[in-house]
Amino acid sequence: QVQLVQSGAEVRKPGASVKVSCRASGYTFSSYYIHWVRQAPGLGLEWMGIINPSGDGSINYAQKFQGRVTMDRDTSTRTVYMELSSLKSEDTAVYYCARDPYCTDDGCSLTFDYWGQGTLVTVSS
Amino acid sequence: DIQMTQSPSSLSASVGDRVTISCRSSQNISRYLNWYQQKSGEAPKLLIYTAKTLQNGVPPRFTGSGSGTEFTLTISSLQPEDFATYYCQQSFSAPLTFGGGTKVGI
Repeated sequence: QVQLVQSGAEVRKPGASVKVSCRASGYTFSSYYIHWVRQAPGLGLEWMGIINPSGDGSINYAQKFQGRVTMDRDTSTRTVYMELSSLKSEDTAVYYCARDPYCTDDGCSLTFDYWGQGTLVTVSS
Repeated sequence: DIQMTQSPSSLSASVGDRVTISCRSSQNISRYLNWYQQKSGEAPKLLIYTAKTLQNGVPPRFTGSGSGTEFTLTISSLQPEDFATYYCQQSFSAPLTFGGGTKVGI
């Protein structure tokens, strides 16, 4: 069965960086793009970007996070990573990876059919 | 960015009730609209994509409708496991955006 398993909770101080991993199993890793979405405590969902786990690893970041977020992948371990730098208290959130069910050369469905369990990142001095 | 507005933000209902949640987009998104269900402490779950297509395994009591800028999620007969928060999301263009959520409670 399709599974996205994320790394554990993290605590960071303001100004630091955090790197969250998302390991895929149960499907052909290279065939499905991965999104990152975050959710601040008690609040709604916010899209951060999308990465192609194969080929050139093309990426599209949400403008809000440009310059602070880096997404990467390791095809040998079927793992996608999201690193957020210059952390602020407002970055305290649960970070999710989620799979896009359908992508072609013309684009992706921009839908999320499977989600990781979430990783809580707490930013506090 | 496309703004997504859901209403109501919360509602109270009973088992067996018919529940309707609305979602409005700030511009025409055709049928590029998805619905998710999120239970407390869990990741969201895809219910409906492209406005009206039921995701595999989702009960048929969930239906989606609408196009353009106005969309609706209907639960025909609320079940105990349906008490959750529901989000709409536009898949028309990046940045992808979500509605603020509708909490369905007792």
